[in-house]
Amino acid sequence: DGGITQSPKYLFRKEGQNVTLSCEQNLNHDAMYWYRQDPGQGLRLIYYSQIVNDFQKGDIAEGYSVSREKKESFPLTVTSAQKNPTAFYLCASSMQSQGPLHFGNGTRLTVT
Amino acid sequence: GQQLNQSPQSMFIQEGEDVSMNCTSSSIFNTWLWYKQDPGEGPVLLIALYKAGELTSNGRLTAQFGITRKDSFLNISASIPSDVGIYFCAGQFTDSNYQLIWGAGTKLIIKP
Repeated sequence: DGGITQSPKYLFRKEGQNVTLSCEQNLNHDAMYWYRQDPGQGLRLIYYSQIVNDFQKGDIAEGYSVSREKKESFPLTVTSAQKNPTAFYLCASSMQSQGPLHFGNGTRLTVT
Repeated sequence: GQQLNQSPQSMFIQEGEDVSMNCTSSSIFNTWLWYKQDPGEGPVLLIALYKAGELTSNGRLTAQFGITRKDSFLNISASIPSDVGIYFCAGQFTDSNYQLIWGAGTKLIIKP
């Protein structure tokens, strides 16, 4: 079955450590996105990529980095520079920059 | 920046009741989208609206794109236990997904 796989489901890290969240899709979608979800707030866009080897900052890119070396993969690194990294992170993809977003099941990151 | 006001924040209803939620914006949108998020999963697209005044149904769900293009509502008829979750509206000025604006969500809880 085609879909988006995010791993791990839960991630715990100590403050000051970088951590990388995985996102893989086998939908053959060109565009991929990373969102952050906090309770009581709408989804906020961190980074997006419309094509391999290219990505753009979203609304809250500070403290995060991404890469897009393969069409299927769009990992997100939460760096120690991110002031409040504890959140639920959602990866999504779409056929192009238009069309319905398909979401993964998220990674819940807890930093203590 | 652009803002979407989604209400109510949460709803406690009896099984079988009808549900209504809405989103309003200070800006005009070209597209309104309604997503549902089940606990521990990513959001799934329910209904997409592309034209002012458009009324679209998906089973027991009905959504409308307001005439002013600044609002949208979602109705659920005869609610059932699997309707629980968080419902998000999202507005779009252009065709590009990276310019989606998200509401904060409406949490639907069904009283036993």
